[in-house]
Amino acid sequence: NAGVTQTPKFQVLKTGQSMTLQCAQDMNHEYMSWYRQDPGMGLRLIHYSVGAGITDQGEVPNGYNVSRSTTEDFPLRLLSAAPSQTSVYFCASSYYGRVLEQYFGPGTRLTVT
Amino acid sequence: DAKTTQPPSMDCAEGRAANLPCNHSTISGNEYVYWYRQIHSQGPQYIIHGLKNNETNEMASLIITEDRKSSTLILPHATLRDTAVYYCIVISNFGNEKLTFGTGTRLTIIP
Repeated sequence: NAGVTQTPKFQVLKTGQSMTLQCAQDMNHEYMSWYRQDPGMGLRLIHYSVGAGITDQGEVPNGYNVSRSTTEDFPLRLLSAAPSQTSVYFCASSYYGRVLEQYFGPGTRLTVT
Repeated sequence: DAKTTQPPSMDCAEGRAANLPCNHSTISGNEYVYWYRQIHSQGPQYIIHGLKNNETNEMASLIITEDRKSSTLILPHATLRDTAVYYCIVISNFGNEKLTFGTGTRLTIIP
């Protein structure tokens, strides 16, 4: 199994640009989530999904959209990038009954100039 | 969810046991203690969790005090690869709970 994969590993955007961070898992996990991590702070939940077609907001959802059309994929879209969205983004997945035992991807380091 | 308090940093000699403390004095009866770690530039990794009994797996042991107000994660024979930030999380295991990571303890294993 590849586990949780994320692309790209690094990305530089200009303010106002949009882009999609990709996340995929091959473990047939129902639950998937996106976090951001800023220096000196812990991880903060952006959005999550409990299954295909179902998404919900975390604690910092503004400026981000998600969709879940398949069990495997959970892309995160930045609608209009801002410097405040400079961060490291992690995707995670788990079985729905074991939401607190999540597998994390390697992360995407995003810089918005 | 109950608040946790962890020391910001700790050192441990390679080959020795690393004992990472966590205080959670406001923990309620249905809340579990979860531990994750994050090695530099990698995603977090689940380690272990427990409710009130001590737990052990291939990575670590978790000791929870009888009053459940504190716990200790033990890495029995620390290696350089155990250098990471360790997060203690107290959370209910029911329903649609969501992980919340604080700032954790930065553990440095010294050769």
